[in-house]
Amino acid sequence: SQTIHQWPATLVQPVGSPLSLECTVEGTSNPNLYWYRQAAGRGLQLLFYSVGIGQISSEVPQNLSASRPQDRQFILSSKKLLLSDSGFYLCACTPRTYGYTFGSGTRLTVV
Amino acid sequence: AQKVTQAQTEISVVEKEDVTLDCVYETRDTTYYLFWYKQPPSGELVFLIRRNSFDEQNEISGRYSWNFQKSTSSFNFTITASQVVDSAVYFCALSEARTGGFKTIFGAGTRLFVKA
Repeated sequence: SQTIHQWPATLVQPVGSPLSLECTVEGTSNPNLYWYRQAAGRGLQLLFYSVGIGQISSEVPQNLSASRPQDRQFILSSKKLLLSDSGFYLCACTPRTYGYTFGSGTRLTVV
Repeated sequence: AQKVTQAQTEISVVEKEDVTLDCVYETRDTTYYLFWYKQPPSGELVFLIRRNSFDEQNEISGRYSWNFQKSTSSFNFTITASQVVDSAVYFCALSEARTGGFKTIFGAGTRLFVKA
């Protein structure tokens, strides 16, 4: 079964600073990869998904971007963080079948 | 458009009580998948169950059971004899086959408190 490693677990960043969150997957190849954001007390919002290296689809306009430099690596970035970027970020994968495996998440607080 | 509604924001029960978490969905597709996930305080979402739209058989797994009714577009989740460890946020989700499973929509979640 697949395992997702996501780091860091928590992050406090000032407004205007850059961001880089990394997610790596073990136990499967050629997975679909996803970045979700969960605002405090709310549901999950799909930010990006990727079906292969270099292939990124964005679901919402924002100042975030994603990249997939390797098959099992998915990176979420921002050049300048906003207060509204605070939230719990989750990486997920599906190995070509339905049903996500989620990483442990990164709690980002922008101050 | 697809939509998942979990009308119950928070539920509080006493240990050993049964509790049902409601989920109502909307979709135009005839082929779709429904899911339940559990998010304990640690934050990581845990996959509980997947059900496809052609399988309306109810499922039981230990103290967990799921009732899928296409006629009412509902996929409810029941925990029997609840325990403190069941305290978590539970998410219902929908994925339409035509999107290749790429756009799973989550409900807002139901926070379950189980008191000892």
